[in-house]
Amino acid sequence: EMQLVESGGGLVQPGGSLRLSCAASGFVFSEQYMEWVRQAPGKGLEWVGRIRNKASSHTTEYAPSVKDRFTISRDDSKNSLYLQMNGLKTEDTAVYYCARSIVGVRRFDYWGQGALVTVSS
Amino acid sequence: DIQLTQSPSFLSASVGDRVTITCRASQGISSHLAWYQQKPGKAPELLIYAASTLQSGVPSRFSASGSGTEFTLTISSLQPEDFATYSCQQLNSYPFTFGGGTKVEIK
Repeated sequence: EMQLVESGGGLVQPGGSLRLSCAASGFVFSEQYMEWVRQAPGKGLEWVGRIRNKASSHTTEYAPSVKDRFTISRDDSKNSLYLQMNGLKTEDTAVYYCARSIVGVRRFDYWGQGALVTVSS
Repeated sequence: DIQLTQSPSFLSASVGDRVTITCRASQGISSHLAWYQQKPGKAPELLIYAASTLQSGVPSRFSASGSGTEFTLTISSLQPEDFATYSCQQLNSYPFTFGGGTKVEIK
C-alpha cells in the first residue's frame, strides 16, 4: 500500500527554521518526482515546490513565495523527502503536504496526511 | 503566474442533484489540469487529471471536460459522501497553481 507520512511540524517563532520530513513507502521512491503543497488555515491549496528524481539530477523548482527561504531535498536510500524552511514568516503558517507527482500525464496522485506548521511569537 | 478562477466558490445542493463547477485559467494550459476533492481535516484526493481522465477508483458519476482556458467538473448525481471542497490545479507551467476551491454543502 502506498503511503506518505509527514513529520516535524510544530510551533516556531518568526525568523526561525524548521525541517519537515516525508517518509514514503509502497512505491519506488527513487523514480518519482515529489512535491510539497501547503494550505493556510481556511484557505486554498498552494504549491510550494518540486524535486525531480535522480535521473533528472534531483533538480528543484519553487514557488516565488518561498524561493530562497525553503529548500527541498531527498534521500532515496531512506525513501525520504525533506523541506527545510528558513526565515519563517507568520504567513507560512499552514498544513504542509507532501505528494507524489506523475510527470508524463501530469498529476499529484498520492498525498500525505499533512503536518501543521505554526509561525507565531 | 497562471491564475485559476473557480466558480461558484460555494454551492448548496441536494442529494441526487447534478452539479457543475467551472475553472477558468488566465492563459491557455492545454489539458494540463487536475481536479481534487478535499474533506475537512483530510488531504486532497485526485479525482481527474489531464482535464478529463478519471483517476482509478473514482466513481463514474464524476466527469470533467475542457481545454485551453475553460474547464468543468460535473457530478451527475450528488451523493452524501460528495459533500466536500473541490479544487482545480494547473500543471502547465511553474509555479503550479490551484483554484480557490468550491465548497459543496448540503441544502
